[in-house]
Amino acid sequence: GNSVTQMEGPVTLSEEAFLTINCTYTATGYPSLFWYVQYPGEGLQLLLKATKADDKGSNKGFEATYRKETTSFHLEKGSVQVSDSAVYFCAPGDPGRRALTFGSGTRLQVQP
Amino acid sequence: DTAVSQTPKYLVTQMGNDKSIKCEQNLGHDTMYWYKQDSKKFLKIMFSYNNKELIINETVPNRFSPKSPDKAHLNLHINSLELGDSAVYFCASASQGSSYNSPLHFGNGTRLTVT
Repeated sequence: GNSVTQMEGPVTLSEEAFLTINCTYTATGYPSLFWYVQYPGEGLQLLLKATKADDKGSNKGFEATYRKETTSFHLEKGSVQVSDSAVYFCAPGDPGRRALTFGSGTRLQVQP
Repeated sequence: DTAVSQTPKYLVTQMGNDKSIKCEQNLGHDTMYWYKQDSKKFLKIMFSYNNKELIINETVPNRFSPKSPDKAHLNLHINSLELGDSAVYFCASASQGSSYNSPLHFGNGTRLTVT
């Protein structure tokens, strides 16, 4: 089955700093790739996705590019806000199981 | 208007009890899931149903039994609760039966505490 490796958190940044959260995965074939965000006390919400190699997913200032060669899908944002403080999950699709495999999540803390 | 709703939001119970968590989605999706999130935020799939048919049944103790009366509902019943069952349980749904290309929509979770 799939596996996902995310950088360990927490990641602590000051407001307006640049964010990168690394994600690499192993999967059969070329699945769709997703980033989800979980705010405190809430469920996971889809942040962005990419469905094929070299696609760039983007939403709310966040971006991630599907890198087939390095099996990576790193999340970036040019200028983080306090409201971005949350846990971020990388998740490749798993066609064989019709499900998503989640990484362990990376907690982001943005300080004013 | 809630797309995926779970009840209850919090569940505190004693070891050995039997409890159920209910989930309903009004998105018209045909696939539903249960995920377990531990205290370190690690998310692990437990079960999935497609059109009331069990698709995924991970290595989960048989004290856990999912039931899908129709494709809009997926309930989770847990027998003989143990301390290690304490976690947040998330219900999710997706469309088209092959969610690997479709995003999952999550409920807000049920925090289960076993004392």
